Amino acid sequence: AQSVAQPEDQVNVAEGNPLTVKCTYSVSGNPYLFWYVQYPNRGLQFLLKYITGDNLVKGSYGFEAEFNKSQTSFHLKKPSALVSDSALYFCAVRDPLTGGSYIPTFGRGTSLIVHP
Amino acid sequence: DTGVSQDPRHKITKRGQNVTFRCDPISEHNRLYWYRQTLGQGPEFLTYFQNEAQLEKSRLLSDRFSAERPKGSFSTLEIQRTEQGDSAMYLCASSSPVRNSGANVLTFGAGSRLTVL
Repeated sequence: AQSVAQPEDQVNVAEGNPLTVKCTYSVSGNPYLFWYVQYPNRGLQFLLKYITGDNLVKGSYGFEAEFNKSQTSFHLKKPSALVSDSALYFCAVRDPLTGGSYIPTFGRGTSLIVHP
Repeated sequence: DTGVSQDPRHKITKRGQNVTFRCDPISEHNRLYWYRQTLGQGPEFLTYFQNEAQLEKSRLLSDRFSAERPKGSFSTLEIQRTEQGDSAMYLCASSSPVRNSGANVLTFGAGSRLTVL
């Protein structure tokens, strides 16, 4: 079975400061990992993914994420937060050992609030 | 706009009524997903189509729920005899077949919000 946990319901950060949104996962093998963002009244939008290779993945809007296999984590980071980054962030995982199933499992989300 | 379209965006119904949601995926995407999202929760998987074949259904999908994708293009999700617990945002997503298999990225629609009174 595949699962993902986002331990923080909410993260508060001041504009211009670095931000981190945490995610840990559980799969049988090597995971495929994703981050999505959801703005109010909008659908989820893809930010970045990790499949293989470099543990540091760069994505849209200046976001990056670091894959740590020993800690089973895939934390989302940004060096300098913007007020416009305020949104809901979802981590997702897919276990490639699930055969023909291409269905990611999502975390419950973390609300990021960036204060001016 | 060539994104994923969902209709209606909002639906208010009385308990016991039937409702149907429609999803139009990106035209070249052969995979289509339905998820349900409630307040404070992440998207929960409901069902998955590859072309017109419904390949997986979640245990969340009771027999009151049915989904179709008759020609491998648009999809419908019908809820019969709605209950107040069905109130949620119903999200549709699609993805394209990529050679590196499960690394496919989902493109989501804006969702259809259901309120059951």
